[in-house]
Amino acid sequence: EAQVTQNPRYLITVTGKKLTVTCSQNMNHEYMSWYRQDPGLGLRQIYYSMNVEVTDKGDVPEGYKVSRKEKRNFPLILESPSPNQTSLYFCASSPQTASGANVLTFGAGSRLTVL
Amino acid sequence: AQKVTQAQTEISVVEKEDVTLDCVYETRDTTYYLFWYKQPPSGELVFLIRRNSFDEQNEISGRYSWNFQKSTSSFNFTITASQVVDSAVYFCALSEPNRDDKIIFGKGTRLHILP
Repeated sequence: EAQVTQNPRYLITVTGKKLTVTCSQNMNHEYMSWYRQDPGLGLRQIYYSMNVEVTDKGDVPEGYKVSRKEKRNFPLILESPSPNQTSLYFCASSPQTASGANVLTFGAGSRLTVL
Repeated sequence: AQKVTQAQTEISVVEKEDVTLDCVYETRDTTYYLFWYKQPPSGELVFLIRRNSFDEQNEISGRYSWNFQKSTSSFNFTITASQVVDSAVYFCALSEPNRDDKIIFGKGTRLHILP
């Protein structure tokens, strides 16, 4: 089944304890992206990657890191989480079409709570 | 600058009523794509429709229809004869191929269909 898999789905952690949210897709998609969803703010892009070893900042990159060493994986790293990073996180991927009309396939979401 | 506005934060209608979700966008590009995604209570994000800027034909898919009007920069979504299963958060999004295919989401409209 074609899908984007995120882990963990739920996590409660404490301020300053490094964590990684993994994201993997099995569709051979070039484009991958991380979003956070907060009440009243919708979906905001954190980082995105147009291909292996190519990553760029989205609208809210502060406090996050990403890497794209393999095409299928795009982990989100919180080096020193803070309470304002409590959120619902979505990973998404799409084929990199020449037209740019990318339809995103989303993971199921990861709900992170930072105490 | 890119911008997507969904002015309706929350809407409640009684089952079988028609309901229209508004989406207004801003872009300086002549080539762009518009999308609608649905997020049901289970939390996943599901693609509904994609439209390119050169195709202003309205689209109908069952009880769903989309009205794209470049003159008013709007891409509204109508559900006819609403059903309880239509209850969800709906996101409108804009993608511009000339800007690294960056996809900007609106803040979403939460739709409640009351039985």
